[in-house]
Amino acid sequence: AQTVTQSQPEMSVQEAETVTLSCTYDTSESDYYLFWYKQPPSRQMILVIRQEAYKQQNATENRFSVNFQKAAKSFSLKISDSQLGDAAMYFCAYRRGAYNTDKLIFGTGTRLQVFP
Amino acid sequence: NAGVTQTPKFQVLKTGQSMTLQCAQDMNHEYMSWYRQDPGMGLRLIHYSVGAGITDQGEVPNGYNVSRSTTEDFPLRLLSAAPSQTSVYFCASSLQGYYGYTFGSGTRLTVV
Repeated sequence: AQTVTQSQPEMSVQEAETVTLSCTYDTSESDYYLFWYKQPPSRQMILVIRQEAYKQQNATENRFSVNFQKAAKSFSLKISDSQLGDAAMYFCAYRRGAYNTDKLIFGTGTRLQVFP
Repeated sequence: NAGVTQTPKFQVLKTGQSMTLQCAQDMNHEYMSWYRQDPGMGLRLIHYSVGAGITDQGEVPNGYNVSRSTTEDFPLRLLSAAPSQTSVYFCASSLQGYYGYTFGSGTRLTVV
């Protein structure tokens, strides 16, 4: 069974600094997708970034980028120039590439605090 | 464009009562799913559907039923509520899962 592990329950960063959130996963599949979701206090789940396993290039979305290490099964999220609005829970998630299934597996989350 | 709409946002039930959590999407997404979020455990999949008339179990299906008669709607039924079902419930939809999921705003359910 696939599992997703986020080993940092809490992280903190100063405004304008850079922070990296860790995620590792376990799978025997070769075709899969990885996601980072942000959950602010409003409770809304917001897609931050996604990565296809078959792509070697790391995904980037503005200040957010990932370090995808397929052999190590690692998928970390880097937030550059941190802003107060980045404070939230961040969840790493995994999905198999199969068409006839829709199982998104989440890690337990990392709470990010941003200090002015 | 409303996205994914969940109702109600809050609900208190007594043990043994039944209820239905509603989920509707207007994006013509094939895939829909239900998750529950408990403190320290992330989100766990309850049931999912890859199209109208097709449903399957997720990680924690016991005590819940689903059906998918239309592309737009995917209700979650609690058959006989138990305190262990106190949680925040999220509905999500996706055109095809690998593009990412759009989540509803969640339902906070308390069973007393």
